[in-house]
Amino acid sequence: AQSVAQPEDQVNVAEGNPLTVKCTYSVSGNPYLFWYVQYPNRGLQFLLKYITGDNLVKGSYGFEAEFNKSQTSFHLKKPSALVSDSALYFCAVRGDTGSARQLTFGSGTQLTVLP
Amino acid sequence: DAGVIQSPRHEVTEMGQEVTLRCKPISGHNSLFWYRQTMMRGLELLIYFNNNVPIDDSGMPEDRFSAKMPNASFSTLKIQPSEPRDSAVYFCASRTTGGADTQYFGPGTRLTVL
Repeated sequence: AQSVAQPEDQVNVAEGNPLTVKCTYSVSGNPYLFWYVQYPNRGLQFLLKYITGDNLVKGSYGFEAEFNKSQTSFHLKKPSALVSDSALYFCAVRGDTGSARQLTFGSGTQLTVLP
Repeated sequence: DAGVIQSPRHEVTEMGQEVTLRCKPISGHNSLFWYRQTMMRGLELLIYFNNNVPIDDSGMPEDRFSAKMPNASFSTLKIQPSEPRDSAVYFCASRTTGGADTQYFGPGTRLTVL
C-alpha cells in the first residue's frame, strides 16, 4: 500500500527566512507527487507536482520541491517565507499502476510564518 | 472555468435527519472524488467515480453513506440518518483520467450534526 509521511505537524519560521516542509513517500511503481495548500475554511489548492524529468519542480507562489528518489522524499521549499504563506500543507502521492493510481495524502503540516 | 462547485457551503442539521451534499465537477473532468476531513482522521477518501461509475467505495464509513453520479456534471453524497460523528468538512474533487493529472478541490461543505 502506498503511504505519505509528513513528520512535522507544525513548522514555524521567521518571515524572510527559507522554509522547508518535509515529505517522504512509499509507492509501487513510479511516483507522481503533489503538494497542496489549504488556507482556513478553504479547499485544498494545488501548488506543484512531480511527474518525471527535472528533480526540482517549481510551482505557485514561489514554492519549489525537490524529488529525491534514493531518499523517497519530496520536500517543499521556499527561499524567503511570507506571513501569507501560513497555512496547512499536504503532500500526496499516487503510483502509475493499478490501485496505486489513487492519491494518498499525508496528515498535513501547519506552517506558521512569524512576522 | 468556475472550478469545482459544492453546495451547500455550510449545513447544520439534527441527528437522524437526511443530509445531501452536492458537487459539480470541472467541465471535461471525468473522475470525481469525495473526501472527508476531520481533525482526528485528517483527509479521507470516501469514494471515487470514473465516467460516472463508482470505482472504489471502500472508504465509505457505513451504509448510512451513499453517493451517486447520475451524469458527468453532478454528484451527490447522502447521509441517512445523520449522526453527530459525521460532523466534518466534506470535499469534492475532480480531474481527468490522464496518467498524472491534478485533482482540483471544491471549497468544501462544513457539516454539523447536532
